[in-house]
Amino acid sequence: GQNIDQPTEMTATEGAIVQINCTYQTSGFNGLFWYQQHAGEAPTFLSYNVLDGLEEKGRFSSFLSRSKGYSYLLLKELQMKDSASYLCAVTPKAAGNKLTFGGGTRVLVKP
Amino acid sequence: ETGVTQTPRHLVMGMTNKKSLKCEQHLGHNAMYWYKQSAKKPLELMFVYSLEERVENNSVPSRFSPECPNSSHLFLHLHTLQPEDSALYLCASSQEEGQEQFFGPGTRLTVL
Repeated sequence: GQNIDQPTEMTATEGAIVQINCTYQTSGFNGLFWYQQHAGEAPTFLSYNVLDGLEEKGRFSSFLSRSKGYSYLLLKELQMKDSASYLCAVTPKAAGNKLTFGGGTRVLVKP
Repeated sequence: ETGVTQTPRHLVMGMTNKKSLKCEQHLGHNAMYWYKQSAKKPLELMFVYSLEERVENNSVPSRFSPECPNSSHLFLHLHTLQPEDSALYLCASSQEEGQEQFFGPGTRLTVL
């Protein structure tokens, strides 16, 4: 089966940096997505990694190592509005192109 | 309207009721999805449609019945649900399968 692990909860201070790790064990690999979901709202796309390395997009960066089955999402200069759940999702080859989601990491930003 | 819309946003129903959830995407996408999100559980993929054909039925009970009349609309018909079916039901679409998905706001369903 497919297995995606990420921490349940993290707390950080406004202005700081937080790194959310995601490890996966899947049958093949087609790509990894990060989504942000505020409470009571729909997930919104943050990033997509298919090759190893770091993808930077403003305050958010995502890193992928396919050989280690590992990714992280880095949030810099944290703002209160960054308090949300962050979902790691993988597209395993065996499942066609269907996304499999991790349980999400709830990030709480404190003043 | 733009993006992915869902109606109703909230629904309360009894176990003997029949209701339908509606999803509409205005993005010209070819793939549409139904997900279930329960408290403290990962998003669960329920159904996938690509070019109006169902390509995935993720072992979902038959009390959930999807319908995709065209590439812009997706329905989820509900009948004789159980209280444990109470959850947030999210619709999503993508240009093709496996690509970035755009989610609707969801329908918060409560089964009494």
